[in-house]
Amino acid sequence: ETGVTQTPRHLVMGMTNKKSLKCEQHLGHNAMYWYKQSAKKPLELMFVYNFKEQTENNSVPSRFSPECPNSSHLFLHLHTLQPEDSALYLCASSQDSGGAGEQFFGPGTRLTVL
Amino acid sequence: GQNIDQPTEMTATEGAIVQINCTYQTSGFNGLFWYQQHAGEAPTFLSYNVLDGLEEKGRFSSFLSRSKGYSYLLLKELQMKDSASYLCAVMDSNYQLIWGAGTKLIIKP
Repeated sequence: ETGVTQTPRHLVMGMTNKKSLKCEQHLGHNAMYWYKQSAKKPLELMFVYNFKEQTENNSVPSRFSPECPNSSHLFLHLHTLQPEDSALYLCASSQDSGGAGEQFFGPGTRLTVL
Repeated sequence: GQNIDQPTEMTATEGAIVQINCTYQTSGFNGLFWYQQHAGEAPTFLSYNVLDGLEEKGRFSSFLSRSKGYSYLLLKELQMKDSASYLCAVMDSNYQLIWGAGTKLIIKP
């Protein structure tokens, strides 16, 4: 595997379900990010991890819970979501979060909340 | 507040040239990025400008004017595979990327 991978690619869940999104980067980067992408809207930064430490939480509701066990893996745990949470969830990585390097994105998880 | 503006959609003809504009107002500036995103795929990096001027990379060029808060992405010799969304993003003083909503480029034969 190369680059940034995400699983699952598609997820349909009910509002009472609990599910997790997984991201893995094979680039040796130290920073990882979760973004939400809704149709015709700018990417919304949700969480930033740098060297496994959370450095940013952009007022994300507590029904989204991130986890970063090491610099290569990032999870987003989901519970009691709302239909408006349906979106494409993108994971990205970069060398570190305090520099101007480019971010590399995974293909995303298309989430539908019923 | 921070704001990135770019056109929602543009149409161009195969073989032609198209310019996608981006204007920004941000808290600080640490560079401007352009990404390409095909439908259902990951955004991929195209260019980075931190100094004023034109950066050329094959068929794609990116221009920056920091005093005007303005950038454009120039695509030459358009090909059908260039049909995609083009995302403009500015890195602010906290090294966070502030994103535009993207410009959907439609290429017609």
